[in-house]
Amino acid sequence: KAGVTQTPRYLIKTRGQQVTLSCSPISGHRSVSWYQQTPGQGLQFLFEYFSETQRNKGNFPGRFSGRQFSNSRSEMNVSTLELGDSALYLCASSPSQGDAYNEQFFGPGTRLTVL
Amino acid sequence: QKEVEQDPGPLSVPEGAIVSLNCTYSNSAFQYFMWYRQYSRKGPELLMYTYSSGNKEDGRFTAQVDKSSKYISLFIRDSQPSDSATYLCAMSAGSYRGGKLIFGQGTELSVKP
Repeated sequence: KAGVTQTPRYLIKTRGQQVTLSCSPISGHRSVSWYQQTPGQGLQFLFEYFSETQRNKGNFPGRFSGRQFSNSRSEMNVSTLELGDSALYLCASSPSQGDAYNEQFFGPGTRLTVL
Repeated sequence: QKEVEQDPGPLSVPEGAIVSLNCTYSNSAFQYFMWYRQYSRKGPELLMYTYSSGNKEDGRFTAQVDKSSKYISLFIRDSQPSDSATYLCAMSAGSYRGGKLIFGQGTELSVKP
């Protein structure tokens, strides 16, 4: 079974621009979560989508948004980019069903650099 | 103060050593406790998870959770150079079906041959 895929893998943008990142979850997984990883703050939760609805949200400004499509693929968007948005953005998918613990499987991430 | 505290290291040990990695937390609502391993330029991969307090063993890895002390540990026995990676503890207060994970800062481990 193919793992979580994220595109693009690397991205360079300038301040003020906006960016859209894409995540394709493992086939059959219905939950997609997004995380931001930086050397200073570590891994921080952005939001989770399940069946096209945002189910959980972290403490990030409204410039960060996301959505999920009917095939469970997800996108996240960052508007008005700031230098501090430079980070590795990780997507994780989970079956989110059944009675056993549901592991979150992470993709390789998208490395965003804001100049 | 962060909800989850983890010593970022770096930690360097000789091959064959026993490694102890630790996290402390402040939120008593956490019920699921995970350890992830992240190699350079890769996403984190789950090593082990534990529900509530107790120990769990998987091969050379042992995870311990002490909810009364709000302290979790990961022990690696007979460490190998291939264990060199960043180890992240993570916790969840939500249901077992997913949701928000709170991560520690990560400890960078280097195992020297």
